[in-house]
Amino acid sequence: EDQVTQSPEALRLQEGESSSLNCSYTVSGLRGLFWYRQDPGKGPEFLFTLYSAGEEKEKERLKATLTKKESFLHITAPKPEDSATYLCAVQGGNTGTASKLTFGTGTRLQVTL
Amino acid sequence: NAGVMQNPRHLVRRRGQEARLRCSPMKGHSHVYWYRQLPEEGLKFMVYLQKENIIDESGMPKERFSAEFPKEGPSILRIQQVVRGDSAAYFCASSLQANYGYTFGSGTRLTVV
Repeated sequence: EDQVTQSPEALRLQEGESSSLNCSYTVSGLRGLFWYRQDPGKGPEFLFTLYSAGEEKEKERLKATLTKKESFLHITAPKPEDSATYLCAVQGGNTGTASKLTFGTGTRLQVTL
Repeated sequence: NAGVMQNPRHLVRRRGQEARLRCSPMKGHSHVYWYRQLPEEGLKFMVYLQKENIIDESGMPKERFSAEFPKEGPSILRIQQVVRGDSAAYFCASSLQANYGYTFGSGTRLTVV
């Protein structure tokens, strides 16, 4: 069974204080690792997909990296509008119908002035 | 393109009533997924459908829950004889292809009183 563990559960940063969120996973045949952002009362918003170890992707102040066992979401010089819950998910399976995502419980990020 | 549309946004049902949640995927998307998010828990996969077919229902409770995605019209998640434990946020997502990142709707928040 695929498993995803995110840490820390909650993180409070001051504006400009860079940090990283961790996503550890076990999966049978990784097809993709996904990062989403979720604001209160809303659905998850897609950020990145990573497919193989060593891959990196960037978007504004966010950078996602992937190894064979974990992924990191690096936040550089965060702003208050980056406050949200960040979700990590894996899509695994060696068969053609393996489409479901297995999510972690998320990291709640709060960025203060 | 209005994205993935879910309605209603909020639904209140008394114990024993039926709940019907609707999801219209993004234009051109033929793959639909339903997830449930309980308070303080991660998103849990329920079911994966294509037009007129259930592909994977491994996350659906064995009783009271059903889903369909007809040839015409939205996908429907139906919960019969609701109980308090069914109170949760239900999210629908759609994708262009299987094994592809997908887009979530804003969810339906079901409250059973």
